[in-house]
Amino acid sequence: KQEVTQIPAALSVPEGENLVLNCSFTDSAIYNLQWFRQDPGKGLTSLLLIQSSQREQTSGRLNASLDKSSGRSTLYIAASQPGDSATYLCAVDPMDSSYKLIFGSGTRLLVRP
Amino acid sequence: DADVTQTPRNRITKTGKRIMLECSQTKGHDRMYWYRQDPGLGLQLIYYSFDVKDINKGEISDGYSVSRQAQAKFSLSLESAIPNQTALYFCATSDGREVETQYFGPGTRLLVL
Repeated sequence: KQEVTQIPAALSVPEGENLVLNCSFTDSAIYNLQWFRQDPGKGLTSLLLIQSSQREQTSGRLNASLDKSSGRSTLYIAASQPGDSATYLCAVDPMDSSYKLIFGSGTRLLVRP
Repeated sequence: DADVTQTPRNRITKTGKRIMLECSQTKGHDRMYWYRQDPGLGLQLIYYSFDVKDINKGEISDGYSVSRQAQAKFSLSLESAIPNQTALYFCATSDGREVETQYFGPGTRLLVL
């Protein structure tokens, strides 16, 4: 059974720092991995999606990497800002026939001004 | 206007009451999903539907039922609410194409007393 783990559960950094969020998964048979952002009172917003054949994706100050063989992904946020404060979740799309995403429990990020 | 809407946004109910959470989407997607999120945990899939005549159980379907009234509407019911169903509930949609990207509603916060 696919399991997705995110470490750390919470992170507090001063504004301007570069930071890395981690995601690990137990079964490398995935179609893709996605990083989502969750703001209080709002739904999840997809940030980056990495196909299983790709190594990384970039969007602005965000860079996500994928190492399928080791079952790991990282989300790198450069020059963090208070507006980056949110919960970040990763999710994998497994290659079984269940057609569903498996989510990690998220990392709650606070960027202090 | 939001593509995926959920009503109500907040609900307080008592043990044993029947309640319904509603989800509507304007994205024209065939696939719809209901998830619950508990504090510190990831999203768990309750039910999903690939079209109007299709209903499938997710990981935690016990105590819940769903109805897909139309392509755009997917309702979640708690027949007899219990306190451990207190959670944040999300509806999501996807178009079922090659890449499984899901679009989430803003969530319904449910408290069962």
